[in-house]
Amino acid sequence: SFDLTQPPSVSVSPGQTATITCSGHNLGFKSTSWYQQKPGQSPVLVIYQNSRRPSGIPERFSASTSGNTATLTISGTQAIDEADYYCQAWDAKTVFGGGTKLTVL
Amino acid sequence: DVQFLESGGDLVQPGGSLRLSCAASERTFQYYAMTWVRQAPGKGLEWVSSITDNGGSTYYADSVKGRFTISRDNSKKMLHLLMTSLRAEDSAVYFCARVIPDWSGYHSSWGQGTLVIVSS
Repeated sequence: SFDLTQPPSVSVSPGQTATITCSGHNLGFKSTSWYQQKPGQSPVLVIYQNSRRPSGIPERFSASTSGNTATLTISGTQAIDEADYYCQAWDAKTVFGGGTKLTVL
Repeated sequence: DVQFLESGGDLVQPGGSLRLSCAASERTFQYYAMTWVRQAPGKGLEWVSSITDNGGSTYYADSVKGRFTISRDNSKKMLHLLMTSLRAEDSAVYFCARVIPDWSGYHSSWGQGTLVIVSS
């Protein structure tokens, strides 16, 4: 079955660049989305169609896809970016990655 | 932007049934595929079921196939999930979400979720 693999946790210092990866078979040929979820809240779409940013999402959020890996990059990470991040793609069904807890310390 | 409000979550015994609902705020509801996604306590997101804009096609995760039924009423801007033969592992917060451009797309708007607890 198609699976998406994310690192369980990533840590970054304020102002630095955070990188979160998502790996899956032939992910480069699929459309990947990324969601941010803060404790007790619903997920929020931050990236869709691999690299497009919805209105209202800060420019510091960007993403790319190559080969079997999609990457979410947060430049100039702020304390408010601390959250869980999930990638999502479709392969005969909707699949979410296991999630990555981003800690800003 | 469109908003969604889920309801119907409750404490139910194993083997029991529950019907979740998701109310949309806009008539554009009828033009979009919709999805149910669940999240067990402390766990990640899990796709449960999707339905096309006109309700003509439905899709289910293997874990719920044959037990859950997704449906929609576009005239009332409502999405439903009928859950039967509930198991402890179905305990989760259930979110409804709009999917663009079709059921294989991205989840652009989410509701706040409704909690289902399956326990005796």
